[in-house]
Amino acid sequence: QSVLTQPPSASATPGQRVTISCSATTFDIGNGWVHWYQHLPGAAPKLLIYRDHNRPSGVPERFSASKSDTSASLTISGLRSEDEAIYYCAVWDDSLFGAVVFGGGTKVTV
Amino acid sequence: QVHLVQSGADVREPGASVQISCRPSGYTFTDSFIQWVRQAPGQGLEWMGWINPDAGGTKYAEKFRGRVTMTRDTSIKTVFLELSGLTSGDTAVYYCARGMPFMAEFDLWGQGTLVTVSS
Repeated sequence: QSVLTQPPSASATPGQRVTISCSATTFDIGNGWVHWYQHLPGAAPKLLIYRDHNRPSGVPERFSASKSDTSASLTISGLRSEDEAIYYCAVWDDSLFGAVVFGGGTKVTV
Repeated sequence: QVHLVQSGADVREPGASVQISCRPSGYTFTDSFIQWVRQAPGQGLEWMGWINPDAGGTKYAEKFRGRVTMTRDTSIKTVFLELSGLTSGDTAVYYCARGMPFMAEFDLWGQGTLVTVSS
């Protein structure tokens, strides 16, 4: 089974920067798009970054993302208390049967 | 405004089936695929599959093949997820989300439906 690996937790104080990594263990993450979701407590997940580095309308510029051949990362700059959430990376893995694969999620504590 | 409105929470006994509905509004029903994602307590997000509301075609995650059925009723512009053979491991919040096939990009999510499997 394909796996996307994220650190389980990350923390920083308000105003600081936090970076979350997302790496693939069984396929080349560089081959497809990586998307990032923010999951606030009690709410539905929200698309935060799409197609590696693009922000949907309404997502603040302090959320940014990048990708290399082997991993992707999400950076939150100028951390705010309302950013406390779980962040997931996600890809389409077209190996074997084909499936959407989510990372295990990273709990960001501010 | 665009929304995905899901049916309410449900409690089922082990071995039973559950059906959850998802009604898109604010856009053309047949324009976008609907995907299903669940989150068990204390766990991460897990993809279950998709349905094309236009032609009705489906793709299911291998883990759920044989237990899951996704359908749609174009007359009431609603899609349905049915999961059979429920176990306690199926206790989760189930989300429908709008997203194209062969992609992990879901730009609109339902509010979630809690399904509790308990005797």
